[in-house]
Amino acid sequence: GESVGLHLPTLSVQEGDNSIINCAYSNSASDYFIWYKQESGKGPQFIIDIRSNMDKRQGQRVTVLLNKTVKHLSLQIAATQPGDSAVYFCAENMGGGSYIPTFGRGTSLIVHP
Amino acid sequence: DGGITQSPKYLFRKEGQNVTLSCEQNLNHDAMYWYRQDPGQGLRLIYYSQIVNDFQKGDIAEGYSVSREKKESFPLTVTSAQKNPTAFYLCASSIALRGLQPQHFGDGTRLSIL
Repeated sequence: GESVGLHLPTLSVQEGDNSIINCAYSNSASDYFIWYKQESGKGPQFIIDIRSNMDKRQGQRVTVLLNKTVKHLSLQIAATQPGDSAVYFCAENMGGGSYIPTFGRGTSLIVHP
Repeated sequence: DGGITQSPKYLFRKEGQNVTLSCEQNLNHDAMYWYRQDPGQGLRLIYYSQIVNDFQKGDIAEGYSVSREKKESFPLTVTSAQKNPTAFYLCASSIALRGLQPQHFGDGTRLSIL
């Protein structure tokens, strides 16, 4: 398989558990945040996004929480499934009207059956 | 289905050779991007294009070149000046460069040195 998951922070969970993946962002002026999922050998896939005027947004089985005070973003996955195993990236748009996001290193999620 | 197609999936380069990675999108997006991904690292921006016949250098443009002659296409050439080209290359697009919307990615090209 591809090596994009090497040396990344890793979260191991059991199938059915809830997963929380964390991300610290760098710029207090960032106004838009995105979570992507990247499976081995594939490109990142959009999961959910949130704007800086919100602190929570829910999707199907996923919730993103934004804490602007401590510049922290988290992705919660409910009832984690083996198909959720992947590398998860957060990205921040640093504002100023231009969308060139900055990506974090990623977290590898391993779901055990 | 609309999407981004990158080809080839695997590519091998000989010393001193230029190689070109293809990226085509049928999403009618104005903005396109090229990223490089190395193991254990986030995505690093090589070049981006806001509109046809326009492109700008990203953070690691040295040793790379691009063109944007058509809205649908944004090929990346890895030149012989790029001394460490082995990486996973990802192409992305978005509706526009400005505004708050996510990027859509292709499935990448893995480039290796022979």
